[in-house]
Amino acid sequence: EPEVTQTPSHQVTQMGQEVILRCVPISNHLYFYWYRQILGQKVEFLVSFYNNEISEKSEIFDDQFSVERPDGSNFTLKIRSTKLEDSAMYFCASTGTSGLSYEQYFGPGTRLTVT
Amino acid sequence: DQQVKQNSPSLSVQEGRISILNCDYTNSMFDYFLWYKKYPAEGPTFLISISSIKDKNEDGRFTVFLNKSAKHLSLHIVPSQPGDSAVYFCAASAQGAQKLVFGQGTRLTINP
Repeated sequence: EPEVTQTPSHQVTQMGQEVILRCVPISNHLYFYWYRQILGQKVEFLVSFYNNEISEKSEIFDDQFSVERPDGSNFTLKIRSTKLEDSAMYFCASTGTSGLSYEQYFGPGTRLTVT
Repeated sequence: DQQVKQNSPSLSVQEGRISILNCDYTNSMFDYFLWYKKYPAEGPTFLISISSIKDKNEDGRFTVFLNKSAKHLSLHIVPSQPGDSAVYFCAASAQGAQKLVFGQGTRLTINP
């Protein structure tokens, strides 16, 4: 069964450093998302991406964040200058083969620890 | 942001009995609702969904009920099995929006 994959599973970085989290969505999906879950809190939407551009973003997704689909398979989330409060699980999701579908399929997540 | 609320942080049910997980929402623009299941160190796994034009959707042991007037939905699992032990998230989506808004989750434990 096709699945969303994410690398690395755990990333430790120092405050102020740049990190890139990588995702390979399900191959025929057209809509891509990033969510995060701070320990003990809800899963929160960050950004959605369709047709090579951001289609929606939350107030969390400020200028420190960017997303890119550099090739036909990868979808990345970059945090330019990490802060302690960026420590969280980051989940990539994808959906939609021919149109928007509400059921989003999630990857296993990357645990980001900022020290 | 409390648009989607799961008021029970945990629920314990005996194997073979019915598990009922509840979710309330406040945003009347939500028109699609989903339940996800999450095991530790894994991402949320889609379980079942319901459109606001329906009041019930069933898939095997899982049934979701939607009461629009009460802005309430519930997930019924019957019979409950030990493998159902996980955290269950309710999520909602509004017309035209792509993001899912999640509840806090309910940890379900099925006791043998």
